[in-house]
Amino acid sequence: RKEVEQDPGPFNVPEGATVAFNCTYSNSASQSFFWYRQDCRKEPKLLMSVYSSGNEDGRFTAQLNRASQYISLLIRDSKLSDSATYLCAVNLGSGGGADGLTFGKGTHLIIQP
Amino acid sequence: DVKVTQSSRYLVKRTGEKVFLECVQDMDHENMFWYRQDPGLGLRLIYFSYDVKMKEKGDIPEGYSVSREKKERFSLILESASTNQTSMYLCASSWGGGTMEFETQYFGPGTRLLVL
Repeated sequence: RKEVEQDPGPFNVPEGATVAFNCTYSNSASQSFFWYRQDCRKEPKLLMSVYSSGNEDGRFTAQLNRASQYISLLIRDSKLSDSATYLCAVNLGSGGGADGLTFGKGTHLIIQP
Repeated sequence: DVKVTQSSRYLVKRTGEKVFLECVQDMDHENMFWYRQDPGLGLRLIYFSYDVKMKEKGDIPEGYSVSREKKERFSLILESASTNQTSMYLCASSWGGGTMEFETQYFGPGTRLLVL
């Protein structure tokens, strides 16, 4: 069964703290991985793609662990504006893009002042 | 910037009505997708299309059909709306292809459909 799993949370984190969450996926042959951010009652927006070597964008770091089949998102120095739901997305096929992405149900993050 | 637009932000329909949801993208993307999103269930793929006049069933196609007559436009049709189709409907598009850049999906603002 093809699956992408996330801890739904909520993660309640004080402002300024570091928070990390993971997303596991079922197909070891998957090649494409993404993190999206979704604000309440809005559409998901791409936060970052996840590359094999890991990648960083400001306070955000994404990593891929192929051996254990998960991706992670680390947020440093968290801001109130980081409060959102974070969705991971994986192409559970063997590539090509025609079969689209499978999304996790999201992890709800609440940054507290 | 990629722009994906959806015809309505909010829609109220009655049971049994035929409902059309329209999605337009302006980036010449090959792939287009329709999802519904419900609390606790996440995004679920209804249908997708990888070319004009081509369509593929997603995970929950029952009660829905789609149409893609032009590359930029992908329509979702509820043949006879039912109350269990009350949901947030999201359209997305992507270039399509074997690299992550091409698989990135861009979403429209969504349509909140209420079926009474």
